[in-house]
Amino acid sequence: QKEVEQNSGPLSVPEGAIASLNCTYSDRVSQSFFWYRQYSGKSPELIMSIYSNGDKEDGRFTAQLNKASQYVSLLIRDSQPSDSATYLCAVDSSYKLIFGSGTRLLVRP
Amino acid sequence: DGGITQSPKYLFRKEGQNVTLSCEQNLNHDAMYWYRQDPGQGLRLIYYSQIVNDFQKGDIAEGYSVSREKKESFPLTVTSAQKNPTAFYLCASRGLTSGGETQYFGPGTRLLVL
Repeated sequence: QKEVEQNSGPLSVPEGAIASLNCTYSDRVSQSFFWYRQYSGKSPELIMSIYSNGDKEDGRFTAQLNKASQYVSLLIRDSQPSDSATYLCAVDSSYKLIFGSGTRLLVRP
Repeated sequence: DGGITQSPKYLFRKEGQNVTLSCEQNLNHDAMYWYRQDPGQGLRLIYYSQIVNDFQKGDIAEGYSVSREKKESFPLTVTSAQKNPTAFYLCASRGLTSGGETQYFGPGTRLLVL
């Protein structure tokens, strides 16, 4: 059974700090990796995708991928209270996404 | 206005009743997916379809059925055989963007048992 692991949290950071979210996966042949943000009671919203090793930046968000170590991370710079949500890591496996159970992020004002 | 729509937003099911959840997309995506999310849990794949008139079971297909007669539509039926249907149901579609294959979600349907 292919798996995606995330720390459930909550991860609590002060406003303005960097939040670091991590994810490990078991399927070595995966080529596509995604981070979704989910507010309570809402559907997941895609915030980052990454397909090759290294860093990918988009505004305050940076996704990092290391295929050799099978981990992907998400950094959120200058965290805002509005970033408080559950962040889901997803890994492509045979044209299906395998989701982690999510990390809950709390940004304290 | 492109996107994925799901209806209804809330659905109530009586004991022994089959109910159907609607999912429509106008993104011209080939692949569509149904997930179930229970409170505080991750997403579990129910069924998926990579092309019209073809679909495959996911991890928790028992008690559910689907059809894919049109590219735009992928309805999910929750049958009376599904003994614990209360959950948040999410439909998604997947297609090629400038960055690569990407999957987007609809707003979801919350199913409650009376």
